Formats: sequence, C-alpha cells, structure tokens
Amino acid sequence: AQSVTQPDIHITVSEGASLELRCNYSYGATPYLFWYVQSPGQGLQLLLKYFSGDTLVQGIKGFEAEFKRSQSSFNLRKPSVHWSDAAEYFCAVGITGGGNKLTFGTGTQLKVEL
Amino acid sequence: GAVVSQHPSRVICKSGTSVKIECRSLDFQATTMFWYRQFPKKSLMLMATSNEGSKATYEQGVEKDKFLINHASLTLSTLTVTSAHPEDSSFYICSARVGSGNTGELFFGEGSRLTVL
Repeated sequence: AQSVTQPDIHITVSEGASLELRCNYSYGATPYLFWYVQSPGQGLQLLLKYFSGDTLVQGIKGFEAEFKRSQSSFNLRKPSVHWSDAAEYFCAVGITGGGNKLTFGTGTQLKVEL
Repeated sequence: GAVVSQHPSRVICKSGTSVKIECRSLDFQATTMFWYRQFPKKSLMLMATSNEGSKATYEQGVEKDKFLINHASLTLSTLTVTSAHPEDSSFYICSARVGSGNTGELFFGEGSRLTVL
C-alpha cells in the first residue's frame, strides 16, 4: 500500500525567508502527488499537483514542488514566505486506478515569524 | 474553482444522539464524494467513498452502521453519525471530484467539527 511521510511536524521561518517542506512517498509505480494547505478550522485547498510530465510544478500563491523519482520525494518550496502562509500543509498521494482516493501525510505546521 | 460546502460547521450533541452532516457541491455535479475524518494534530483518514445512487464504499475499520452515508443526488452527500459517543468527536471533511478518473481535481469542504458530550 502507498504511504506518505512528512518528516517535519513543525517548521518556523521568518517572513521573507525561503521555505522547503519535505514529503516522501512509498509506491511501486508513478504516483499522483498533491500538496494541500489547511488554515485553522478550515477545509483543504489544493496548492499544486503532479500527474506526469515536467517534474517541477508550479502552484498557487507562489508555491512550487519538484518530483524526484530517485528520492521518492515531492518537496514543496517557496522563495519568500509571507505571514499569511502560516498554516498546516499536507502532502498526499493518489494511485493509478485509485479513483481519487488519497493517502495523506501527517502534515507540517508552518509558523511564520514577523 | 468549484465550491464544496458543508453544514453544519460546528455541532455539539449529547451522547447517544445522531448527527447529520451535509456536503454539497454548489456549482458542479459530483457523482463521487469522499468523507474524511481528522483527529487533532493528525492526518486525514479516508472513511468512505460516496457514490450517487449506490451504496457507499467504506474503508477497512470504519463501521458502516455507525457512519451512515447517503448520496441521494449529484450535489448532496450526507454523513450521519448514529448513537454518537465522545470518541466520535472529530473534524469531518468531505471532498468532491470534478471531472472523471484519477486526474479529476478534488475540492474539499470547510469541515464540520463534531463534539459529543
């Protein structure tokens, strides 16, 4: 079965600094990969997704992620963090034939220091 | 983007009562919706896949008699927590798929926080 690991439970960065959130997955074939953001008490918003093609994908709010098959990773990056980026970030994996059933990582809580 | 709305956003009930949570796709039709449960500081756990006009498909370990799912129309799925107990307290989130197949994008509702006293 597929699985997702987000090694960092909490990350704190200063506003304006760069950000990288780690995500590693386990799946035998090429997965579908997603990053979602969740603000307190809210549902999830899709930041970006990877299905195939260019391994560097651009998302909303200035986020990007790179799929590295050799490392089974799909790390999320942002060059300059804004205070409004403080939230919980979830990496998720979907599988071929899985019908949109996603397996989520445990999330990374991002705090932004002003 | 497409909008998925959940109601109520918060509900408090007494132990032993039943609670219904609605999930609506506001501007699109969704043949498939998904129900997740999120524990505090934990990830989302898929509970079941709700299919319009047919029975829901439950994930292993999820009690189908406890968590009743009905998908009566292309824009509405409901989750009923029957005979709720304090351990059922959680944040329940639904999602709906736009498009077909694995590449259809999922849109999530705002979530419903259930507290069972």
